[in-house]
Amino acid sequence: GAGVSQSPSNKVTEKGKDVELRCDPISGHTALYWYRQSLGQGLEFLIYFQGNSAPDKSGLPSDRFSAERTGGSVSTLTIQRTQQEDSAVYLCASSPRSGTSTYEQYFGPGTRLTVT
Amino acid sequence: GNSVTQMEGPVTLSEEAFLTINCTYTATGYPSLFWYVQYPGEGLQLLLKATKADDKGSNKGFEATYRKETTSFHLEKGSVQVSDSAVYFCAFPSNTGNQFYFGTGTSLTVIP
Repeated sequence: GAGVSQSPSNKVTEKGKDVELRCDPISGHTALYWYRQSLGQGLEFLIYFQGNSAPDKSGLPSDRFSAERTGGSVSTLTIQRTQQEDSAVYLCASSPRSGTSTYEQYFGPGTRLTVT
Repeated sequence: GNSVTQMEGPVTLSEEAFLTINCTYTATGYPSLFWYVQYPGEGLQLLLKATKADDKGSNKGFEATYRKETTSFHLEKGSVQVSDSAVYFCAFPSNTGNQFYFGTGTSLTVIP
């Protein structure tokens, strides 16, 4: 079946502009995660959605970052007034959170964001 | 707090050499442990996992054993191939599953 998809694959934007990154999780997966991967760094947790529950936003680095998940499926990560330090690869993952696959995450290919 | 410490890279090996990538973790309780692999230009993929102490996860010739006593989950392969060149991440979930804790990744290059 289809995996996690993300768009765009690459985004170059000017400092101060807003950007939207999209994630389409695997159909039926109730959990959705956003991470940031900076050069030479591990994955930094940003935000987590589980079903219809309130999202866990504890990883968002500033109030310029926000995310929503519509209808329990597609998610959009928005970065307002982008800064150069926002340049990174933004990864989305989804998980079925059930049975033997509990907690196993399936990752999308990522969106590479470059802020000039 | 929760964290993963991974062997620093990059690692360069000749084909058919033995591979070990060290991973130790600090966690509350005994979470499932995972190794993810990221091939060039691709997203992260699950390589193997172990769900409890002394379990051995294995896939594609790679193995890792969940060692509770040493809080380790070292990745091994007896004979690496050029196609194994990738970045390897050790990880585990939080107690509530609301996030995963990842190591910084270890880059492996296998030369013919």
